[in-house]
Order: sequence, then structure tokens, then C-alpha cells
Amino acid sequence: DTGVSQNPRHKITKRGQNVTFRCDPISEHNRLYWYRQTLGQGPEFLTYFQNEAQLEKSRLLSDRFSAERPKGSFSTLEIQRTEQGDSAMYLCASSQGIGARTEAFFGQGTRLTVV
Amino acid sequence: DQQVKQNSPSLSVQEGRISILNCDYTNSMFDYFLWYKKYPAEGPTFLISISSIKDKNEDGRFTVFLNKSAKHLSLHIVPSQPGDSAVYFCAASAHWAGGTSYGKLTFGQGTILTVHP
Repeated sequence: DTGVSQNPRHKITKRGQNVTFRCDPISEHNRLYWYRQTLGQGPEFLTYFQNEAQLEKSRLLSDRFSAERPKGSFSTLEIQRTEQGDSAMYLCASSQGIGARTEAFFGQGTRLTVV
Repeated sequence: DQQVKQNSPSLSVQEGRISILNCDYTNSMFDYFLWYKKYPAEGPTFLISISSIKDKNEDGRFTVFLNKSAKHLSLHIVPSQPGDSAVYFCAASAHWAGGTSYGKLTFGQGTILTVHP
């Protein structure tokens, strides 16, 4: 296991289509996060899983976004009826621990372009 | 509401000299701070962290300083190397007793560091 893996690396889709991204965290990590990064900005938190439970969702995560982490392993992030404003880098991160003082390890991201 | 701010979009330094990257935060609940480095087309890579109970943490060429009263932290890289050229992000998290925000990071906008040979 070499780290957090995200697929696909790049996705180009037409406006209105649905897309799904996958994240495979570091195997022993119980926490999984999704972030979104747009040009010139830092990553912004989207949602957080502890094992299979989705414990927090950002207000950035509209009803068109849904995330799952079945069995507490890999996670998927789905965007329905994509809009041009959804174009961004979607980053997945994982960490191990029960407190706040733990570093998260990021995948290489999925770059989404909505045309 | 930008809770973590990196006010310098870019920094240019000569190889061998010190690089100092700065970060300010406004949320007094933050108690753990991290620096990440990011190369183009890659995800952020963890560099170094510091807990609010400390004011300095050192790891090789990298030192992070925390001034809680000023809500300010800085990353020092000595000596700087061309391979250090990347975008550096400051991030913070809050220990929220009884809550579910453990480990959620709030990032600054990033500073582009360029180290010239």
C-alpha cells in the first residue's frame, strides 16, 4: 500500500451529466475526507467519514453531491447534474486516530472539467 | 470568512538562503497546525505540524513557529533548495470535544515558493 489512491485522475464531462469518483484510502486509516480545490485557493472541506459513518458535511456539498464509504473502506463521491461551477480538483485524504492532532495524507486528486 | 490566511501569494528566494512562509488564523479554537507542500498535478504532501501546546517544532531543514497570542505561524526552510519550489499551504484543525470535527482541516490560499539556483 503506497498511499491514498484516486480514480480517475482526470474527468471531462458535459454539463448535466453525472460523475462518480473513487478514493482508496491507506488501508489502516479509519478517517476519510473529501476536499475540493479551485485555482488559486486552498483545499476546501466537503465531507468526513469515520469508518463507514459520514459524520460531517460542508454547506458546500449541495444536494447534487453525495458520498459513501461502504464497509469503511473505499469511498465514492458522486455529482449529479454537473454544472460548470463544479469544475475543480477533488481531493481525498485519510488519517488514523481519534483526536484532532493527526496529519491527513492526500491522494493525487481527480481533476473534473465540466464543459 | 477566511479563517486561515496566507497573505503572500508568492515568495522568491536564492538557493542556500532562508525561506520564511507566514500564516495567520482567526479561529481561537484551532489547536493543531500543519504545513503541506504541493507540486502541480499532485495532491498536497504533509510536511510538518505543531500542536498549540508548543511554540516550535523542527524537522531537518524545516521549522515551524507558533505565536498563539498573535494567532500567527511561520515555516522556516534552511537552507532552501531548488527542489523546495512548490505551493505551500498552511492548515489548521480544532479539537472539538464531543463533536465530529476531528481532523477536519481549514487551509490557507497557499504561497508559491520559488528557489532560484
